[in-house]
Amino acid sequence: GQQLNQSPQSMFIQEGEDVSMNCTSSSIFNTWLWYKQDPGEGPVLLIALYKAGELTSNGRLTAQFGITRKDSFLNISASIPSDVGIYFCAGRDADNFNKFYFGSGTKLNVKP
Amino acid sequence: GAGVSQSPSNKVTEKGKDVELRCDPISGHTALYWYRQRLGQGLEFLIYFQGNSAPDKSGLPSDRFSAERTGESVSTLTIQRTQQEDSAVYLCASSVPKTGPSYEQYFGPGTRLTVT
Repeated sequence: GQQLNQSPQSMFIQEGEDVSMNCTSSSIFNTWLWYKQDPGEGPVLLIALYKAGELTSNGRLTAQFGITRKDSFLNISASIPSDVGIYFCAGRDADNFNKFYFGSGTKLNVKP
Repeated sequence: GAGVSQSPSNKVTEKGKDVELRCDPISGHTALYWYRQRLGQGLEFLIYFQGNSAPDKSGLPSDRFSAERTGESVSTLTIQRTQQEDSAVYLCASSVPKTGPSYEQYFGPGTRLTVT
């Protein structure tokens, strides 16, 4: 089955630092998504990527769709305490449009 | 309400009992997804509904799991003869497909199911 590896599993950083996390898949995706999930809530979409090589920003967040279509990264610049949460990558299978596969998440902790 | 709602928010049940989980999507959203999220893990696709088309059930883990949707509104996920391994948060998401299935999924808060 589809394998989606997300790293790192967790991060502890100081407020103001930049953060980077990434996902790799065992097969080609035609869409990459990045979500943030706060405790007790559902994930919220941050950035969506549709083309290989695409680089998209949303405020302090930047994400890229890898050229091989098997990877993506998310950067957060100048982190603030409210960035705390779990970040998930998700990819849409090129063979099954309906299915999204999710990474296991990166838990971000920001020290004020 | 403005968002996706799910009920109950928490459900504790005994092994072997059946449970029903409910999802109310955003009004006008024709697509609806169910996911399972085990503790500390990502979301696992279960089933996808789109309008009047046959649902994509390819993610359902066993025949104990089933889901129904009434038109383009409420959906229920039923788990029969629950097992302890079914303990997880069950998330529902809805969306409006554009060209092809939608990617902009709006999630509900989830139902936390605990099987004792």
